Amino acid sequence: AQTVTQSQPEMSVQEAETVTLSCTYDTSENNYYLFWYKQPPSRQMILVIRQEAYKQQNATENRFSVNFQKAAKSFSLKISDSQLGDTAMYFCAFISGNQFYFGTGTSLTVIP
Amino acid sequence: EAQVTQNPRYLITVTGKKLTVTCSQNMNHEYMSWYRQDPGLGLRQIYYSMNVEVTDKGDVPEGYKVSRKEKRNFPLILESPSPNQTSLYFCASSSTGPRGHQPQHFGDGTRLSIL
Repeated sequence: AQTVTQSQPEMSVQEAETVTLSCTYDTSENNYYLFWYKQPPSRQMILVIRQEAYKQQNATENRFSVNFQKAAKSFSLKISDSQLGDTAMYFCAFISGNQFYFGTGTSLTVIP
Repeated sequence: EAQVTQNPRYLITVTGKKLTVTCSQNMNHEYMSWYRQDPGLGLRQIYYSMNVEVTDKGDVPEGYKVSRKEKRNFPLILESPSPNQTSLYFCASSSTGPRGHQPQHFGDGTRLSIL
């Protein structure tokens, strides 16, 4: 069975500091894609970053970067220079075959 | 503007009264999907469609139906809604071209309450 685990239901970080959200997954597939999505209070689902499993290089998008450890099936998200607008629920997700799997989410609060 | 549009945004209804939540995308995406979001459970996939007339069950398909008669539309049908289907629903679409599955574009969500 394919699963995604986010073990941190809630986290907080001081503005301008760095925070890392963890995600582990389980799959028997070798080719898949991993994503982090952000859901602010507006409920919109916004893509943060995407990683292709066959690429060893970690993806980076401005202040957001991932630490992808394929052997460990780990896909953590690092947010640098945290801003108040980063306050949101963050979901880790992956697609294997044609089905998407999401974690249960981490609620991140950025403290001024 | 590229978007996924779902309607209605909010709906309160009663047990057993058939309802349809519509979803339309204007990006010519092959892949479309429905999710429900519940506290502590994250998003769970209900159904997905790889293309016109091709649909498959996700993790929680019981009590739902879908159809894909046109590429742009993917309605979610609840034939006989029950209170345990009270949830926040999202429709999403994505391209599945040579570069593989691209990130999904999500609609704004439908808050469904079944009394």
